[in-house]
Amino acid sequence: NAGVTQTPKFRVLKTGQSMTLLCAQDMNHEYMYWYRQDPGMGLRLIHYSVGEGTTAKGEVPDGYNVSRLKKQNFLLGLESAAPSQTSVYFCASSYEAGRQPQHFGDGTRLSIL
Amino acid sequence: DAKTTQPPSMDCAEGRAANLPCNHSTISGNEYVYWYRQIHSQGPQYIIHGLKNNETNEMASLIITEDRKSSTLILPHATLRDTAVYYCIVIHPGTYKYIFGTGTRLKVLA
Repeated sequence: NAGVTQTPKFRVLKTGQSMTLLCAQDMNHEYMYWYRQDPGMGLRLIHYSVGEGTTAKGEVPDGYNVSRLKKQNFLLGLESAAPSQTSVYFCASSYEAGRQPQHFGDGTRLSIL
Repeated sequence: DAKTTQPPSMDCAEGRAANLPCNHSTISGNEYVYWYRQIHSQGPQYIIHGLKNNETNEMASLIITEDRKSSTLILPHATLRDTAVYYCIVIHPGTYKYIFGTGTRLKVLA
């Protein structure tokens, strides 16, 4: 009964490096989301997807790219990491938007030096 | 989406019911009330949601007033593991973005 699984759980990068965060869900949800949470701030939506092969920009998309090649996976990429992207990243998924809850993973803690 | 107001903190004795209030006086007729919690630095955990009627599941009960302007989350027998920040949010159908406010920091005391 995995739900939403995020890998890796922790990562330290140097400025300018690239990396991909993986989110996998086993609930057959159509919708998937990437958020970031910074100290003292709430969740901010980075990108989301309403189905396989689709992606859309959220509130803070700059510096990130996403892909949803398979329904169960949603990838978040940082092409050239910056210290301002140090954050905790949460992935979520839902059966539909609004009427059904989003279920969250346990997060990826990313530090960029 | 309607804004919500929650007390910043509450204490509850272990084994007692924890009643967490939320005010959402500007809620519109088709917006849902959701409750989540975040334990330490884990991901937000879904607890319960409702539209108009009271709801109960294995974790909690949600009581929504008849005018829908406020609600109460009830944890019937609080344990130390229920210590967390609890968020009440109001969601319009079709909304992708969740906006968590500052929530209520619940501390369950032994």
